[in-house]
Amino acid sequence: AQKITQTQPGMFVQEKEAVTLDCTYDTSDPSYGLFWYKQPSSGEMIFLIYQGSYDQQNATEGRYSLNFQKARKSANLVISASQLGDSAMYFCAMRERDYNFNKFYFGSGTKLNVKP
Amino acid sequence: GAVVSQHPSRVICKSGTSVKIECRSLDFQATTMFWYRQFPKKSLMLMATSNEGSKATYEQGVEKDKFLINHASLTLSTLTVTSAHPEDSSFYICSARDRTGSYNEQFFGPGTRLTVL
Repeated sequence: AQKITQTQPGMFVQEKEAVTLDCTYDTSDPSYGLFWYKQPSSGEMIFLIYQGSYDQQNATEGRYSLNFQKARKSANLVISASQLGDSAMYFCAMRERDYNFNKFYFGSGTKLNVKP
Repeated sequence: GAVVSQHPSRVICKSGTSVKIECRSLDFQATTMFWYRQFPKKSLMLMATSNEGSKATYEQGVEKDKFLINHASLTLSTLTVTSAHPEDSSFYICSARDRTGSYNEQFFGPGTRLTVL
């Protein structure tokens, strides 16, 4: 089974509006971490936000927030006030306790296009 | 923040040659580095976990003799694609974990685009 599922291959959003990128995960490990990365066309992976499985509150980092619904195993990324520079690929990732927290599982990504 | 560099950023080589890609942690020591491969418009797939001073751990389906990994120091890991063929063309990304940081911290390099003619 897929560890991380991103069902939106591509998304469009108007500049200054908010957008939600979906991510669901599958794990039986009670201890895990969820991550979102941004990958611009240049290729580098830019860390955006992290949510631990035991964190009680949703993570927030500036314009990024993670809507963590543990029972549903979802970890959607919300970008508020979209900017043109937000256009990029976005990957959801998970790390389990196995492999000493080494192994990342990445989703297939969502390409976000911000329209002026 | 922690910086990971990769060299070269882009390489084009002829089929049958070997190519070495370097991954360096510039301002921290990394006992563990990871090598990923990314096909166009696809996700990152972990190829191997590289531990300083020991043999790399390869993921299922990754040819050890094809993709040689050496982690000779706490700041350098190398990936050598031996006898490269066009199907090895891909974007290779490394990441490194700060030995003093939390398990949450893993820093990615900028990637190396390999094209095999």
